[in-house]
Amino acid sequence: SQQGEEDPQALSIQEGENATMNCSYKTSINNLQWYRQNSGRGLVHLILIRSNEREKHSGRLRVTLDTSKKSSSLLITASRAADTASYFCATDVIKGRRALTFGSGTRLQVQP
Amino acid sequence: DTEVTQTPKHLVMGMTNKKSLKCEQHMGHRAMYWYKQKAKKPPELMFVYSYEKLSINESVPSRFSPECPNSSLLNLHLHALQPEDSALYLCASSRGLAGAHHSYEQYFGPGTRLTVT
Repeated sequence: SQQGEEDPQALSIQEGENATMNCSYKTSINNLQWYRQNSGRGLVHLILIRSNEREKHSGRLRVTLDTSKKSSSLLITASRAADTASYFCATDVIKGRRALTFGSGTRLQVQP
Repeated sequence: DTEVTQTPKHLVMGMTNKKSLKCEQHMGHRAMYWYKQKAKKPPELMFVYSYEKLSINESVPSRFSPECPNSSLLNLHLHALQPEDSALYLCASSRGLAGAHHSYEQYFGPGTRLTVT
């Protein structure tokens, strides 16, 4: 079963607006990562947030992690058409297999 | 060099064919991965190699056979595939496997788009 579920499944916004994507997971995690995937291409790592961190920034990206609620959010500020992609959260668990499990993903469309 | 390369980019094969997918990285990473991704779905882990040894097999059918000839190369041998195996096959690498209190980012190749007819 999926460790991570994301919402919304799809999001369409205008250029310049902010985009927020949410990820929920089920079991205790080591860390949580966010990846971007342009259509039909490989995934690109965006940011890693450790289980003892609550917020992390990287350029126009802001990630929050709430381990009590088992949830994370990715905020992209001042979006651009080039941000159009699918975004996945990925978790690795404290106990269990030593590999990432990807969430269901959010498809973001930024209209120019 | 932070690139993971995959060949071929596209592959069409019949159900009786034997083919191989190839993946290469020169970042000195010791963990390498194969994922399968269907349209509008997240990547699904198939195999993980750590230090050239198979570490994880996610109960993948034997018609998929991985091989790690050396620390830079990862192959996926395909035989007697079914049409439902058509998908994007992604290779990835990382410095190592996740440990008790640390994780590593994964670097992905562009994928091989496989169509089984």
